[in-house]
Amino acid sequence: DAGVIQSPRHEVTEMGQEVTLRCKPISGHDYLFWYRQTMMRGLELLIYFNNNVPIDDSGMPEDRFSAKMPNASFSTLKIQPSEPRDSAVYFCATEEAVLYGYTFGSGTRLTVV
Amino acid sequence: GQQVMQIPQYQHVQEGEDFTTYCNSSTTLSNIQWYKQRPGGHPVFLIQLVKSGEVKKQKRLTFQFGEAKKNSSLHITATQTTDVGTYFCAGAQAGNNRKLIWGLGTSLAVNP
Repeated sequence: DAGVIQSPRHEVTEMGQEVTLRCKPISGHDYLFWYRQTMMRGLELLIYFNNNVPIDDSGMPEDRFSAKMPNASFSTLKIQPSEPRDSAVYFCATEEAVLYGYTFGSGTRLTVV
Repeated sequence: GQQVMQIPQYQHVQEGEDFTTYCNSSTTLSNIQWYKQRPGGHPVFLIQLVKSGEVKKQKRLTFQFGEAKKNSSLHITATQTTDVGTYFCAGAQAGNNRKLIWGLGTSLAVNP
């Protein structure tokens, strides 16, 4: 298995632009999580899905952020419009139905200038 | 809200010395997980502890879960340069064990 695949690895964009981050989960993992990591705030859970259904989006900072999981093989996190304070590393992680711990993707380093 | 505090924030050791990081929760946890993140990398799952007072070992790493299920520790015996990275604990809330609350991590540097 190739693991959790995220794209792009790096993204530099101008303030106000739309940014879309992508995640391909491990096949058979029923849970998918989007995290944001910064030095100041550490790892923050943004949203998580179970069987493609959003379960908890209370960590989504504001309406500029949205996430979808149209099928079991794909999820996106969109920021529109982006702001410099959104600069962070965004991780996608998945977990099997049984509690075996998360498998993280390699992350997307987002820089908004 | 629920918080997980992790200490120390940083630790520098000489290769061969031992290292311990501690994790304390403001509330009782249903389980606790430990992850390691190498510089520039992503968190990698190490272990999960579920039972009160549980102790698990992985080679030179020893993980403990407190009797009250509010604290945990990770101890590394005889550190090696390959142990460099940030170690995170993450606690699961009672009643929602999918939503982890993360500590800010302990960054370990090992001098050869």
